[in-house]
Amino acid sequence: EAGVAQSPRYKIIEKRQSVAFWCNPISGHATLYWYQQILGQGPKLLIQFQNNGVVDDSQLPKDRFSAERLKGVDSTLKIQPAKLEDSAVYLCASSLGTHTDTQYFGPGTRLTVL
Amino acid sequence: EDKVVQSPLSLVVHEGDTVTLNCSYEVTNFRSLLWYKQEKKAPTFLFMLTSSGIEKKSGRLSSILDKKELFSILNITATQTGDSAVYLCAGNTGTASKLTFGTGTRLQVTL
Repeated sequence: EAGVAQSPRYKIIEKRQSVAFWCNPISGHATLYWYQQILGQGPKLLIQFQNNGVVDDSQLPKDRFSAERLKGVDSTLKIQPAKLEDSAVYLCASSLGTHTDTQYFGPGTRLTVL
Repeated sequence: EDKVVQSPLSLVVHEGDTVTLNCSYEVTNFRSLLWYKQEKKAPTFLFMLTSSGIEKKSGRLSSILDKKELFSILNITATQTGDSAVYLCAGNTGTASKLTFGTGTRLQVTL
């Protein structure tokens, strides 16, 4: 079974530039999550989708971050404009449903903002 | 606000030692507690605990949950260098399966 796919694996940008990350969840998984993991910290949930609807985006900085999952499968997370403090690993995870506890993570995208 | 605290923050042991990692949690509408191992980037799932006092075991790793004391431990016996990683604990809130992670325990196993 293929795991959660993410791209790119690494990205370096200047502050104020824009960046987008892509995630393809495990086939059949209805729920998709985006996490931000700053060095030395645990992952922090940014947004949770159930199919193509948003379940929780309470910790998403909506002035600069946006995410979509238009067809209920893959998803994109965008930052526009980026700040230095956005440097982190962005992890995508998926689970079968909102009440299925096990989330499976992708390899992540390491973003460096200079 | 949901909170998960792990201790110690880091640990260095010799191969063959036994280690115990700690996790305390304050999570609303608690549903389960999960342990993940993070070696490079992607956290990989280890255990999910829902019932108090029932040990989950996988090879040299085991974990137990105390719902009264809001506490869980992860034990690793006969540690190997391949066990070197960050171990993450997460509390799951029942309303929408939201995970709140601790900062992790960095384990280094030396020869």
